[in-house]
Amino acid sequence: ETGVTQSPTHLIKTRGQQVTLRCSSQSGHNTVSWYQQALGQGPQFIFQYYREEENGRGNFPPRFSGLQFPNYSSELNVNALELDDSALYLCASSLPLSRANTQYFGPGTRLTVL
Amino acid sequence: DAKTTQPPSMDCAEGRAANLPCNHSTISGNEYVYWYRQIHSQGPQYIIHGLKNNETNEMASLIITEDRKSSTLILPHATLRDTAVYYCIVRITGNQFYFGTGTSLTVIP
Repeated sequence: ETGVTQSPTHLIKTRGQQVTLRCSSQSGHNTVSWYQQALGQGPQFIFQYYREEENGRGNFPPRFSGLQFPNYSSELNVNALELDDSALYLCASSLPLSRANTQYFGPGTRLTVL
Repeated sequence: DAKTTQPPSMDCAEGRAANLPCNHSTISGNEYVYWYRQIHSQGPQYIIHGLKNNETNEMASLIITEDRKSSTLILPHATLRDTAVYYCIVRITGNQFYFGTGTSLTVIP
């Protein structure tokens, strides 16, 4: 157990809809990163939040957006869902970025877009 | 951009040492190498990380070559529960970590 929780566990949406995924970070961690993992692939970095500000972004379109709250929990929002957005969405929390920045992952949210 | 290359799959007999290689020839001099594993699409589990010295913890050992272009994760006595996908990870830029597709390790009874 890493202390990182995510909700919901599973979610089914239809194309064009919007979705919000949630993440609670490990106690004491103020940095949250989000990853998308398609079936059979490794996780791909979406973005990171530190002190409520976006602090780095991967190669994802603007319809992927996020928030971080004062308690360091975080949301991932995806608008105009596409079939290819079906994936496991992972969040990871960590201490502020340093040379050795170990991230601890939650169990993930499985999103299916029909 | 620093990236990693791993064999797609490996087998290991139960009770034997599992040696998982990783190539990271473009890693920057001050960047760490991290290893995680993922079982049945659960969240990745942290195993170990290192910079240039060999590291050991209760789960595994990490051997990094002197030129830092490659490393090997060693599970000293593999069990069936070690069957998983193992990722060797380096930081690309800033906060972005590159996972690659990992090595699927199967421990055989």
